[in-house]
Amino acid sequence: DTGVSQDPRHKITKRGQNVTFRCDPISEHNRLYWYRQTLGQGPEFLTYFQNEAQLEKSRLLSDRFSAERPKGSFSTLEIQRTEQGDSAMYLCASSPGQLPRNTIYFGEGSWLTVV
Amino acid sequence: SQQGEEDPQALSIQEGENATMNCSYKTSINNLQWYRQNSGRGLVHLILIRSNEREKHSGRLRVTLDTSKKSSSLLITASRAADTASYFCATDTGNTPLVFGKGTRLSVIA
Repeated sequence: DTGVSQDPRHKITKRGQNVTFRCDPISEHNRLYWYRQTLGQGPEFLTYFQNEAQLEKSRLLSDRFSAERPKGSFSTLEIQRTEQGDSAMYLCASSPGQLPRNTIYFGEGSWLTVV
Repeated sequence: SQQGEEDPQALSIQEGENATMNCSYKTSINNLQWYRQNSGRGLVHLILIRSNEREKHSGRLRVTLDTSKKSSSLLITASRAADTASYFCATDTGNTPLVFGKGTRLSVIA
């Protein structure tokens, strides 16, 4: 399977705990995106990387959120001190960064439930 | 913030009928894309239409774009039960990542 891979697919955690999600993009895609989606809503942009550089962060990405892409390949999204409002699906996507610009390829998402 | 807004929010049709979903947006765009999402899954890219295009076809999909009205429509012809999903429009304004609407939930009843 050469698509975008996300792990874990589901995570249930207690409020206050830290969680980390991993994303492996499509090979040779230099752009990687994180989106968040809650029930009945569309995906909301969180952050994106061009290779290892984090180029843009949404205001949704509070101080408790941090994303890395250390070698320009896989990426991690960590949420510290989780709150119930963090319950959502976290979607990772990648794109080759060439025309047609911004056609992105999504993974299956990581569901987070904070109890 | 979400620039695109789909209409209707939900649509229920019989198999074989056509389904039309609309998307309105607020600012100038480079292109507009439509994505599909099955329940609990990731999004799948369907079709992209550039700002200088007015209509585009792909299989049973037909997309139109009216930049003067800042709106787009997605038509699915001869719908099938397998088309049941949520459909999202996403706008590309240039240097920012795609901005998605809230989606239209389509139910196709066999």
